[in-house]
Amino acid sequence: RKEVEQDPGPFNVPEGATVAFNCTYSNSASQSFFWYRQDCRKEPKLLMSVYSSGNEDGRFTAQLNRASQYISLLIRDSKLSDSATYLCVVNTYTDKLIFGTGTRLQVFP
Amino acid sequence: EPEVTQTPSHQVTQMGQEVILRCVPISNHLYFYWYRQILGQKVEFLVSFYNNEISEKSEIFDDQFSVERPDGSNFTLKIRSTKLEDSAMYFCASSGSRLQETQYFGPGTRLLVL
Repeated sequence: RKEVEQDPGPFNVPEGATVAFNCTYSNSASQSFFWYRQDCRKEPKLLMSVYSSGNEDGRFTAQLNRASQYISLLIRDSKLSDSATYLCVVNTYTDKLIFGTGTRLQVFP
Repeated sequence: EPEVTQTPSHQVTQMGQEVILRCVPISNHLYFYWYRQILGQKVEFLVSFYNNEISEKSEIFDDQFSVERPDGSNFTLKIRSTKLEDSAMYFCASSGSRLQETQYFGPGTRLLVL
């Protein structure tokens, strides 16, 4: 089983749509959870950390379900500039980040 | 806003040659990392470095790889004898502390081994 699993997409949505991405992780000892965004041929950039109680940052909402080992990201009112690959990332008790393969989002006018 | 920088942005080399990829982490950070991303694949951890020594390394980080912090600002990744399969984007990252703080990534060095 992959350590971090994501639907690769692509998700093609119109501007203004709401889109949700899911991710599962295999190691129950995972301690920290993140969503990173990666534009084509660029570095990953932190979008938001994910907390057990769920958290929101503007149009973005992240949820964590430790029992199901499941993480989600909801994007409301999609913008053209949201087009990117969204990376689900976890780490355990060590420093290393474990990345999913990413979910590609394309927002069209 | 402070950022991680990397040089060169692109490197083309012949198989068997040595390459050194350079990174300048964010100045007050203490933890340094190298990751790589083969085209079309996921980002993979290579090595973490703290207090002038390797704290963790992956299976990818074999004897052909080494890291060094030669001075107070640079952090380097050396590949001694490059292979075709080393062609990838190499990202340097740094963080202030282990788990609580974000790892900030540099723009990457695209390495092509011919």
